[in-house]
Amino acid sequence: DAGVIQSPRHEVTEMGQEVTLRCKPISGHDYLFWYRQTMMRGLELLIYFNNNVPIDDSGMPEDRFSAKMPNASFSTLKIQPSEPRDSAVYFCASSLGGTTQHFGDGTRLSIL
Amino acid sequence: AQSVTQLGSHVSVSEGALVLLRCNYSSSVPPYLFWYVQYPNQGLQLLLKYTSAATLVKGINGFEAEFKKSETSFHLTKPSAHMSDAAEYFCAVSGPTGANSKLTFGKGITLSVRP
Repeated sequence: DAGVIQSPRHEVTEMGQEVTLRCKPISGHDYLFWYRQTMMRGLELLIYFNNNVPIDDSGMPEDRFSAKMPNASFSTLKIQPSEPRDSAVYFCASSLGGTTQHFGDGTRLSIL
Repeated sequence: AQSVTQLGSHVSVSEGALVLLRCNYSSSVPPYLFWYVQYPNQGLQLLLKYTSAATLVKGINGFEAEFKKSETSFHLTKPSAHMSDAAEYFCAVSGPTGANSKLTFGKGITLSVRP
Protein backbone atom coordinates (compact mmCIF):
# COMPACT_ATOMS: atom_id res chain seq x y z
CA ASP A 1 0.00 0.00 0.00
CA ALA A 2 1.19 3.51 -0.75
CA GLY A 3 2.17 5.53 2.27
CA VAL A 4 1.97 9.28 2.76
CA ILE A 5 3.47 10.95 -0.29
CA GLN A 6 5.11 14.35 -0.07
CA SER A 7 6.48 16.52 -2.83
CA PRO A 8 8.94 17.88 -3.53
CA ARG A 9 11.54 15.99 -1.47
CA HIS A 10 13.92 18.93 -1.65
CA GLU A 11 13.27 22.60 -2.33
CA VAL A 12 15.82 25.37 -2.54
CA THR A 13 14.57 28.87 -3.17
CA GLU A 14 15.43 32.46 -2.51
CA MET A 15 14.09 34.58 0.29
CA GLY A 16 10.82 36.26 -0.60
CA GLN A 17 9.61 33.55 -2.96
CA GLU A 18 6.41 31.60 -2.45
CA VAL A 19 6.88 27.98 -1.45
CA THR A 20 4.23 25.28 -1.80
CA LEU A 21 4.61 21.88 -0.17
CA ARG A 22 2.27 19.06 -1.10
CA CYS A 23 0.94 16.00 0.65
CA LYS A 24 -1.14 13.03 -0.35
CA PRO A 25 -2.39 11.13 2.72
CA ILE A 26 -3.03 7.42 2.91
CA SER A 27 -6.34 6.61 1.24
CA GLY A 28 -9.17 6.41 3.77
CA HIS A 29 -7.40 8.31 6.52
CA ASP A 30 -9.46 11.12 8.02
CA TYR A 31 -6.77 13.07 9.88
CA LEU A 32 -3.88 14.97 8.31
CA PHE A 33 -1.05 16.68 10.20
CA TRP A 34 1.72 19.08 9.15
CA TYR A 35 4.94 19.20 11.21
CA ARG A 36 8.18 21.13 11.03
CA GLN A 37 11.48 19.68 12.25
CA THR A 38 14.55 21.75 13.09
CA MET A 39 17.62 21.09 15.17
CA MET A 40 16.77 23.90 17.56
CA ARG A 41 13.07 23.25 18.12
CA GLY A 42 12.66 19.56 17.28
CA LEU A 43 9.32 18.39 15.89
CA GLU A 44 6.56 20.97 16.00
CA LEU A 45 2.94 20.44 15.00
CA LEU A 46 1.87 23.26 12.72
CA ILE A 47 -1.74 22.38 11.91
CA TYR A 48 -4.05 19.40 11.63
CA PHE A 49 -7.22 18.60 9.74
CA ASN A 50 -10.08 16.21 10.39
CA ASN A 51 -12.24 15.34 7.39
CA ASN A 52 -10.60 18.19 5.45
CA VAL A 53 -11.51 20.77 8.11
CA PRO A 54 -8.71 22.57 10.01
CA ILE A 55 -9.05 21.72 13.68
CA ASP A 56 -6.04 23.34 15.31
CA ASP A 57 -3.69 25.80 13.63
CA SER A 58 -2.19 27.17 16.82
CA GLY A 59 1.24 25.94 15.77
CA MET A 60 1.35 27.94 12.55
CA PRO A 61 4.17 30.39 13.22
CA GLU A 62 2.96 33.44 11.32
CA ASP A 63 0.47 34.70 8.78
CA ARG A 64 3.04 33.91 6.13
CA PHE A 65 2.09 30.25 6.61
CA SER A 66 -1.17 28.83 5.30
CA ALA A 67 -2.50 25.31 4.81
CA LYS A 68 -5.42 23.95 2.85
CA MET A 69 -7.05 20.60 2.33
CA PRO A 70 -9.40 20.91 -0.65
CA ASN A 71 -10.26 17.21 -0.64
CA ALA A 72 -9.52 14.01 1.24
CA SER A 73 -6.53 13.11 -0.90
CA PHE A 74 -4.56 16.35 -1.04
CA SER A 75 -3.18 19.08 1.18
CA THR A 76 -0.82 22.00 0.71
CA LEU A 77 1.30 24.07 3.02
CA LYS A 78 2.29 27.48 1.64
CA ILE A 79 4.83 29.98 2.84
CA GLN A 80 4.61 33.46 1.33
CA PRO A 81 6.95 35.28 1.49
CA SER A 82 9.59 32.78 2.57
CA GLU A 83 12.45 33.69 4.92
CA PRO A 84 15.74 31.94 5.73
CA ARG A 85 14.44 31.00 9.20
CA ASP A 86 11.77 28.87 7.52
CA SER A 87 14.47 26.42 6.45
CA ALA A 88 13.57 23.05 7.96
CA VAL A 89 12.23 19.62 7.13
CA TYR A 90 8.45 19.65 6.80
CA PHE A 91 6.56 16.42 7.41
CA CYS A 92 3.03 15.44 6.60
CA ALA A 93 1.34 12.61 8.50
CA SER A 94 -2.07 11.00 8.29
CA SER A 95 -4.10 8.75 10.56
CA LEU A 96 -7.40 6.92 10.78
CA GLY A 97 -9.43 7.98 13.78
CA GLY A 98 -6.70 10.22 15.12
CA THR A 99 -4.50 7.58 16.74
CA THR A 100 -1.46 6.13 14.99
CA GLN A 101 0.09 8.66 12.63
CA HIS A 102 1.88 7.58 9.49
CA PHE A 103 4.57 9.96 8.25
CA GLY A 104 5.79 10.87 4.80
CA ASP A 105 9.50 11.15 4.04
CA GLY A 106 9.39 14.94 4.37
CA THR A 107 10.36 17.96 2.30
CA ARG A 108 13.75 19.47 3.04
CA LEU A 109 13.33 23.21 2.51
CA SER A 110 16.25 25.62 2.19
CA ILE A 111 15.61 29.33 1.91
CA LEU A 112 18.66 31.27 0.73
CA ALA B 1 -1.88 19.61 28.53
CA GLN B 2 0.50 16.84 27.57
CA SER B 3 4.26 16.70 27.50
CA VAL B 4 7.08 14.23 27.10
CA THR B 5 10.56 14.30 28.55
CA GLN B 6 13.39 12.35 27.02
CA LEU B 7 16.47 12.74 29.19
CA GLY B 8 19.73 13.16 27.36
CA SER B 9 20.16 13.65 23.65
CA HIS B 10 22.57 10.84 22.84
CA VAL B 11 23.02 7.25 23.94
CA SER B 12 25.90 5.05 22.81
CA VAL B 13 25.97 1.27 23.28
CA SER B 14 28.09 -1.60 22.04
CA GLU B 15 26.66 -4.05 19.55
CA GLY B 16 24.94 -6.81 21.52
CA ALA B 17 24.41 -4.66 24.60
CA LEU B 18 21.09 -3.70 26.16
CA VAL B 19 19.39 -0.62 24.75
CA LEU B 20 17.43 1.53 27.22
CA LEU B 21 15.90 4.81 26.09
CA ARG B 22 13.96 6.71 28.74
CA CYS B 23 10.68 8.54 28.36
CA ASN B 24 8.53 10.21 30.98
CA TYR B 25 5.18 11.77 30.19
CA SER B 26 2.65 14.15 31.62
CA SER B 27 -0.98 13.97 30.61
CA SER B 28 -4.28 15.23 31.96
CA VAL B 29 -6.18 12.41 30.25
CA PRO B 30 -5.47 8.68 29.96
CA PRO B 31 -2.57 8.76 27.54
CA TYR B 32 -1.77 6.98 24.35
CA LEU B 33 2.01 6.61 24.10
CA PHE B 34 4.19 6.00 21.08
CA TRP B 35 7.79 5.37 20.14
CA TYR B 36 8.88 6.37 16.66
CA VAL B 37 12.24 5.84 14.94
CA GLN B 38 13.77 8.13 12.35
CA TYR B 39 16.57 7.01 10.06
CA PRO B 40 18.62 9.65 8.22
CA ASN B 41 16.70 11.49 5.52
CA GLN B 42 13.52 9.58 6.23
CA GLY B 43 10.24 10.21 7.98
CA LEU B 44 9.23 8.80 11.32
CA GLN B 45 8.31 5.15 11.52
CA LEU B 46 6.16 3.70 14.29
CA LEU B 47 8.02 1.26 16.54
CA LEU B 48 5.24 0.54 19.02
CA LYS B 49 2.29 2.09 20.80
CA TYR B 50 0.40 1.82 24.08
CA THR B 51 -3.34 2.38 23.91
CA SER B 52 -4.55 1.25 27.36
CA ALA B 53 -4.39 -2.47 26.77
CA ALA B 54 -1.41 -4.56 27.91
CA THR B 55 1.19 -2.51 29.78
CA LEU B 56 4.09 -4.35 28.14
CA VAL B 57 4.06 -3.51 24.48
CA LYS B 58 6.11 -5.32 21.86
CA GLY B 59 7.07 -3.55 18.68
CA ILE B 60 9.05 -4.10 15.54
CA ASN B 61 12.74 -4.95 15.32
CA GLY B 62 12.81 -6.55 18.79
CA PHE B 63 11.93 -3.40 20.72
CA GLU B 64 9.50 -3.29 23.61
CA ALA B 65 8.28 -0.73 26.12
CA GLU B 66 6.50 -0.91 29.44
CA PHE B 67 3.84 1.54 30.56
CA LYS B 68 4.22 2.36 34.25
CA LYS B 69 1.49 4.68 35.43
CA SER B 70 2.95 5.08 38.93
CA GLU B 71 6.22 6.32 37.42
CA THR B 72 4.62 8.10 34.44
CA SER B 73 7.18 6.34 32.29
CA PHE B 74 7.27 4.50 28.99
CA HIS B 75 10.90 3.42 28.55
CA LEU B 76 12.02 1.67 25.37
CA THR B 77 14.26 -1.39 25.57
CA LYS B 78 15.92 -3.94 23.34
CA PRO B 79 17.95 -6.82 24.79
CA SER B 80 20.69 -6.80 22.18
CA ALA B 81 21.62 -3.82 20.03
CA HIS B 82 22.35 -4.21 16.35
CA MET B 83 24.27 -1.82 14.14
CA SER B 84 21.09 -1.17 12.16
CA ASP B 85 19.42 0.26 15.30
CA ALA B 86 21.49 3.43 15.02
CA ALA B 87 18.91 6.18 14.49
CA GLU B 88 16.97 8.88 16.30
CA TYR B 89 14.15 7.78 18.59
CA PHE B 90 11.16 9.87 19.58
CA CYS B 91 8.68 9.29 22.36
CA ALA B 92 5.25 10.88 21.91
CA VAL B 93 2.00 11.23 23.84
CA SER B 94 -1.58 11.94 22.79
CA GLY B 95 -5.05 11.69 24.14
CA PRO B 96 -7.25 8.87 22.82
CA THR B 97 -9.03 10.53 19.90
CA GLY B 98 -10.84 13.60 18.72
CA ALA B 99 -9.66 16.84 20.28
CA ASN B 100 -6.86 14.96 21.99
CA SER B 101 -5.45 13.52 18.79
CA LYS B 102 -2.44 15.79 18.67
CA LEU B 103 0.86 14.05 19.19
CA THR B 104 3.31 15.83 21.46
CA PHE B 105 6.86 14.67 20.81
CA GLY B 106 9.91 14.59 23.00
CA LYS B 107 13.13 16.14 21.71
CA GLY B 108 14.44 12.78 20.54
CA ILE B 109 17.43 10.63 21.44
CA THR B 110 20.16 9.67 19.02
CA LEU B 111 21.26 6.06 19.46
CA SER B 112 24.76 5.13 18.34
CA VAL B 113 25.87 1.49 18.21
CA ARG B 114 29.60 0.71 18.45
CA PRO B 115 31.00 -2.39 16.74
